[in-house]
Amino acid sequence: SAVISQKPSRDICQRGTSLTIQCQVDSQVTMMFWYRQQPGQSLTLIATANQGSEATYESGFVIDKFPISRPNLTFSTLTVSNMSPEDSSIYLCSVEPTTATDTQYFGPGTRLTVL
Amino acid sequence: AQTVTQSQPEMSVQEAETVTLSCTYDTSENNYYLFWYKQPPSRQMILVIRQEAYKQQNATENRFSVNFQKAAKSFSLKISDSQLGDTAMYFCAFSLYGGSQGNLIFGKGTKLSVKP
Repeated sequence: SAVISQKPSRDICQRGTSLTIQCQVDSQVTMMFWYRQQPGQSLTLIATANQGSEATYESGFVIDKFPISRPNLTFSTLTVSNMSPEDSSIYLCSVEPTTATDTQYFGPGTRLTVL
Repeated sequence: AQTVTQSQPEMSVQEAETVTLSCTYDTSENNYYLFWYKQPPSRQMILVIRQEAYKQQNATENRFSVNFQKAAKSFSLKISDSQLGDTAMYFCAFSLYGGSQGNLIFGKGTKLSVKP
């Protein structure tokens, strides 16, 4: 597996502002993924972040709203832009270690509340 | 499109007893992976167990085991000797290519409470 950290662990933000969430892994990984978990709901994939290329977004998610960076093999950021109360969720990053375990491991999540 | 269904929104079990969580899925593919993840109140998603569809043998991890019925598209999780620390949301998930290349599709989850 891999040790994954996220910052911040939680935040309360005002509508109209933006928040950048960081995901750091203790080893190099090929792919990183960003998920959203709305209150009381399951996880939904936002995008796949590959190092050196643009992120691939799932249906219903757009780059202007959720820009993603992947500057190297151990780090990624997700920005939630122009936030509204509907963006209040837990945001989780996950990775699949380059040892090809075919399994995703998750970070601890960032709990975002938008007022 | 693939779907994952967990029909039990909530379950409870007495400490030291056995409980089974249900999961069914729908796919027309033959090769895929199935997972159970646990999310305790700390919200960290923890991998519990993983099953490759091409393997007939059911996966086991200590007190956790699965009953994988490929023809029935069923993938239940059995927790033996339940412990208070097993209290969590349990999510069943499906992936066509394995976690690295494909989208993990999650069920809605089952909230399990282990009572002393």
